[in-house]
Amino acid sequence: QKEVEQNSGPLSVPEGAIASLNCTYSDRGSQSFFWYRQYSGKSPELIMSIYSNGDKEDGRFTAQLNKASQYVSLLIRDSQPSDSATYLCAANDYKLSFGAGTTVTVRA
Amino acid sequence: EPEVTQTPSHQVTQMGQEVILRCVPISNHLYFYWYRQILGQKVEFLVSFYNNEISEKSEIFDDQFSVERPDGSNFTLKIRSTKLEDSAMYFCASIRDRQETQYFGPGTRLLVL
Repeated sequence: QKEVEQNSGPLSVPEGAIASLNCTYSDRGSQSFFWYRQYSGKSPELIMSIYSNGDKEDGRFTAQLNKASQYVSLLIRDSQPSDSATYLCAANDYKLSFGAGTTVTVRA
Repeated sequence: EPEVTQTPSHQVTQMGQEVILRCVPISNHLYFYWYRQILGQKVEFLVSFYNNEISEKSEIFDDQFSVERPDGSNFTLKIRSTKLEDSAMYFCASIRDRQETQYFGPGTRLLVL
């Protein structure tokens, strides 16, 4: 069974702060990883993809991958109230295996 | 920007009835997927489809489920005899290459009474 685990949350951060989200995965064969944002009742929306070890930055978002530790993380800098959502980590093995998600609330 | 579309957005059905959920993938995409998300639970893979056949399916995708691409544009998920536990959001996704990002449609919310 290929598992993707996320820190359970919920995570509450003040506006302007950094939100840190973590994810571990069990399948060493997974080659690519994705962070999706999901608002209640909506479909997952891609934030970041990461394929190789190290950091990848896109605007206020930074994803980090460590394949040796089977660990993926997402940092949201300068958090805004509009960032309040559930963040899903997914491992790609020609299909996506999702974690349960971490709900983030940004307090104004 | 091209998008995956799904119809209907909501469907209410009686237990035991057949439902067909429809998806129009992005036009140059080759791989198609169905996922479902029961309320409050994680998104779960159901089935992947390539070259007019199923390439992989999960344990959830039993004989009650079927998929087809009837006309080269639509991609459908049929549930032959719905059960209460089939109530969920169903998402379609498509990609051009298997390593690429999967783009999700807006989903169909299915409620089985």
